Amino acid sequence: EDQVTQSPEALRLQEGESSSLNCSYTVSGLRGLFWYRQDPGKGPEFLFTLYSAGEEKEKERLKATLTKKESFLHITAPKPEDSATYLCAVQEGSARQLTFGSGTQLTVLP
Amino acid sequence: NAGVTQTPKFQVLKTGQSMTLQCAQDMNHEYMSWYRQDPGMGLRLIHYSVGAGITDQGEVPNGYNVSRSTTEDFPLRLLSAAPSQTSVYFCACARDSSSYEQYFGPGTRLTVT
Repeated sequence: EDQVTQSPEALRLQEGESSSLNCSYTVSGLRGLFWYRQDPGKGPEFLFTLYSAGEEKEKERLKATLTKKESFLHITAPKPEDSATYLCAVQEGSARQLTFGSGTQLTVLP
Repeated sequence: NAGVTQTPKFQVLKTGQSMTLQCAQDMNHEYMSWYRQDPGMGLRLIHYSVGAGITDQGEVPNGYNVSRSTTEDFPLRLLSAAPSQTSVYFCACARDSSSYEQYFGPGTRLTVT
């Protein structure tokens, strides 16, 4: 059973068209939820950590939110340079490792 | 600061060959890890280390060995390569085992024929 599910798998937006990416999780005892950005041919780049339901973090055009079952990455007025794959990961309880979702590939068209 | 470096960037192996993927970090981070990334499956943890001399298995450790003799280096050894090990491999580090803000290297693309 998947612990971390991201949707949609792919998303195409026009420049300026705001939208949200979803990360749902089924782990118990969430210790932290992490968002990363990955550009083609590169390693993931850390964006945000969320620890508790109701928490929000912002960075430029991105805002991450967390509930007890899912997290959203809201992208406001995206630009072509926001095109990337966005990865979500969770840390469960005392586990010393992260479980990653398979990502959402975002394409922003000029 | 170079951050996390990985060598080689690309590698082709024949089934049964062995090799070592190198990973080094200059951030003085205690926690290091190795992931593999396959299409549609996300990043999966192979092995990790919480400090020099300490290693542990992740989700998919079979066919791989690691050692951590220094804080800076964390090599990944493929003992006898198999086509199922064709993947992109990422090394990552974090400040310590309580921090999962991980910094990733650029990756090694491995093909096993």
